Amino acid sequence: GAVVSQHPSRVICKSGTSVKIECRSLDFQATTMFWYRQFPKQSLMLMATSNEGSKATYEQGVEKDKFLINHASLTLSTLTVTSAHPEDSSFYICSAIWGTEAFFGQGTRLTVV
Amino acid sequence: QKEVEQDPGPLSVPEGAIVSLNCTYSNSAFQYFMWYRQYSRKGPELLMYTYSSGNKEDGRFTAQVDKSSKYISLFIRDSQPSDSATYLCAMGVQGAQKLVFGQGTRLTINP
Repeated sequence: GAVVSQHPSRVICKSGTSVKIECRSLDFQATTMFWYRQFPKQSLMLMATSNEGSKATYEQGVEKDKFLINHASLTLSTLTVTSAHPEDSSFYICSAIWGTEAFFGQGTRLTVV
Repeated sequence: QKEVEQDPGPLSVPEGAIVSLNCTYSNSAFQYFMWYRQYSRKGPELLMYTYSSGNKEDGRFTAQVDKSSKYISLFIRDSQPSDSATYLCAMGVQGAQKLVFGQGTRLTINP
């Protein structure tokens, strides 16, 4: 299967700072990637669809100015959590489509202190 | 009503037992159905993928889809402790684009 790499796997930051998370498709090109958020013992909630070369599409209730998405190449999408607050602490997961299947990164656990 | 409902468990069974995991859904437009396994603090891993009613088997895993009842199941035969994880069902209208996930069922296989 295809490989999606997400970095970092874990990050702790101070409240008010920004954090960037990278999602790479290692052995295939992905014109579309997805960013999810997962709270403990809960399901994955889609935050936004990242489209290569164009603006991301955000789900209802997700602040686009807070969660900046850049999909500058066919193998890389980044999610930047700006001015992070403790309530932004969560597990963030990206996925990329290969054929008709979605492959997920390892996830990034963000802790804002 | 959520689009996809999944019993969160937790579910605990002895090693070797047959496990049945289920999801119901309300959106009749869903055409693609997946099961993912997620170990603690890891990203989901695709287990099974189907797009038609009926059964699909892969080793110890069988995925079953009943579109008329809007019900899908994942069966695990000869369960192993290494199967202990959270299992998420996911559905989509256009392949794997914009999947909607169930809540996930936490499964523990006891040696």
